[in-house]
Amino acid sequence: AQSVAQPEDQVNVAEGNPLTVKCTYSVSGNPYLFWYVQYPNRGLQFLLKYITGDNLVKGSYGFEAEFNKSQTSFHLKKPSALVSDSALYFCAVRDGTGGSYIPTFGRGTSLIVHP
Amino acid sequence: NAGVTQTPKFQVLKTGQSMTLQCAQDMNHNSMYWYRQDPGMGLRLIYYSASEGTTDKGEVPNGYNVSRLNKREFSLRLESAAPSQTSVYFCASSERGAQGNQPQHFGDGTRLSIL
Repeated sequence: AQSVAQPEDQVNVAEGNPLTVKCTYSVSGNPYLFWYVQYPNRGLQFLLKYITGDNLVKGSYGFEAEFNKSQTSFHLKKPSALVSDSALYFCAVRDGTGGSYIPTFGRGTSLIVHP
Repeated sequence: NAGVTQTPKFQVLKTGQSMTLQCAQDMNHNSMYWYRQDPGMGLRLIYYSASEGTTDKGEVPNGYNVSRLNKREFSLRLESAAPSQTSVYFCASSERGAQGNQPQHFGDGTRLSIL
């Protein structure tokens, strides 16, 4: 079985400050991990993924995520937040070792960046 | 390149009415998906199609049917709409890739209200 948790419903950060959106996961085998962003009245847009290799993954719009196997985490980060980063963020996981190829999504974290 | 196109964008139905949500992708993807998004619930998979000619149930299939018309098109049908089906519906597509390591591409959703 695979599952993902986003422990924070909402994250508030001031513009220019670093931001972190948390994600933890559970899979039986090797995790495939994804981050998506959703702007109001739009569909989800892919930001970045971890399949294998370097633990620090860089993606779109200056976002990056750090894979930590021992803590089963894949937190999304950005060094300097913009007001335009305000959106809903989803983490997703699937077990890359076998089973269904369908990912499981977290419930989402609302990021609010204050001017 | 339009990506994933969903029609209609908005719809209001009365309880018991039927309708079909349309989805088309122009990325030559093999796999397509239907999700519903409800506040605080994240994304829940309704049905998916791994490839043309196949469909499978997801987490919440009751009250819905799907048709994979061809490689481009995947429709979702509500035979007898119920208020509990009021939601935002998203269609997505992806290349299947090596054991599901490819991200999904989402349409902008259909906002459905059932009175």
